[in-house]
Amino acid sequence: SQQGEEDPQALSIQEGENATMNCSYKTSINNLQWYRQNSGRGLVHLILIRSNEREKHSGRLRVTLDTSKKSSSLLITASRAADTASYFCATLTGGSNYKLTFGKGTLLTVNP
Amino acid sequence: NAGVTQTPKFQVLKTGQSMTLQCAQDMNHEYMSWYRQDPGMGLRLIHYSVGAGITDQGEVPNGYNVSRSTTEDFPLRLLSAAPSQTSVYFCASSYRDRGTDTQYFGPGTRLTVL
Repeated sequence: SQQGEEDPQALSIQEGENATMNCSYKTSINNLQWYRQNSGRGLVHLILIRSNEREKHSGRLRVTLDTSKKSSSLLITASRAADTASYFCATLTGGSNYKLTFGKGTLLTVNP
Repeated sequence: NAGVTQTPKFQVLKTGQSMTLQCAQDMNHEYMSWYRQDPGMGLRLIHYSVGAGITDQGEVPNGYNVSRSTTEDFPLRLLSAAPSQTSVYFCASSYRDRGTDTQYFGPGTRLTVL
């Protein structure tokens, strides 16, 4: 089964509003990453948060990580129509079981 | 750097045919992986490799083989294609355990099995 699960599956907002997506996972991780995928394209890395970090910012993106709840959230502030895409969380497990697994994604639609 | 390249971009196969999806990276990344993406299922890990000569199975390995004879290349082989393998396939690569595990993705291969 997949490690990460995003919530909600789909989100529709107006331009200028904030968008929040959540990700839950099952096992201990080295880090958690968020990716964006525009329709018909490959995935693009957005931000990485390590297991010993609680919050990270990058431009209009804010990511939090709660390892006790095995959950993360991605906040996009002041959204733009160009932010319309699918967003995926991915968890990296390390050591002898080093691999990256993805959730099913959240489809974000930002209406002009 | 070309990054991660995948060929072909599109492919149509008949049931039972075999083919190899090619993936190459020029960033000297240790870790390479293959995913398939189906509607509503996100990306599912097929096979992955943590270095040349080392491969392992992901979530959905059945029907696929891989090998990693060089750092640069990680081909995915379909031995006997089935309609259930119709999907978009993505290859990705990254450094391993250097604190920079960002995955770089190829553009994808759209495969249809009739």
